Amino acid sequence: DAGITQSPRHKVTETGTPVTLRCHQTENHRYMYWYRQDPGHGLRLIHYSYGVKDTDKGEVSDGYSVSRSKTEDFLLTLESATSSQTSVYFCAISVRRTGGGNTEAFFGQGTRLTVV
Amino acid sequence: KQEVTQIPAALSVPEGENLVLNCSFTDSAIYNLQWFRQDPGKGLTSLLLIQSSQREQTSGRLNASLDKSSGRSTLYIAASQPGDSATYLCAVPGSNYKLTFGKGTLLTVNP
Repeated sequence: DAGITQSPRHKVTETGTPVTLRCHQTENHRYMYWYRQDPGHGLRLIHYSYGVKDTDKGEVSDGYSVSRSKTEDFLLTLESATSSQTSVYFCAISVRRTGGGNTEAFFGQGTRLTVV
Repeated sequence: KQEVTQIPAALSVPEGENLVLNCSFTDSAIYNLQWFRQDPGKGLTSLLLIQSSQREQTSGRLNASLDKSSGRSTLYIAASQPGDSATYLCAVPGSNYKLTFGKGTLLTVNP
């Protein structure tokens, strides 16, 4: 798992409540990502970070915010959860390999979020 | 915008058969291509990373090929086993190494 820990692993929450998911890495890699996985849509990028306090939006960022105050932690917040945000959320890191531009992605075990 | 397609969406084979999973992508300007395995309810496990300068990469019974010019990659699994049953995903990185995924091939290997 390349030292990636996601918490919580499962969560049920009510519509309208804020929710924060945490991703922790142990190896100080620069790039971190949040994806969601849904049947019929596959994996889609929500937000990503390219350094401490450096973040940007992905394909499906509406209703989500992120923060990265230190290298090892990347937080995803659902500001006001909706049923459409019921999904499995994956955190990933990008690890640079020898040779220019080549990186390998590693994923956490996922967080299953249900919004009722 | 990069688009990644995997065919077939599902595949069922008897144990011992050799099989090929396909992945195609629309923008050939890629750094590399990565194949993942996902078991039900689990995260993604990296199987093979094939760099843009390579044509093949092997790990055990798995062999991945890459043809950038045609926008295609294949994952060959030799002598399939029931334990190979999983969803197989391919992905290509873009700017800032953001991944674009195919929707996967669900493989079932029957004993």
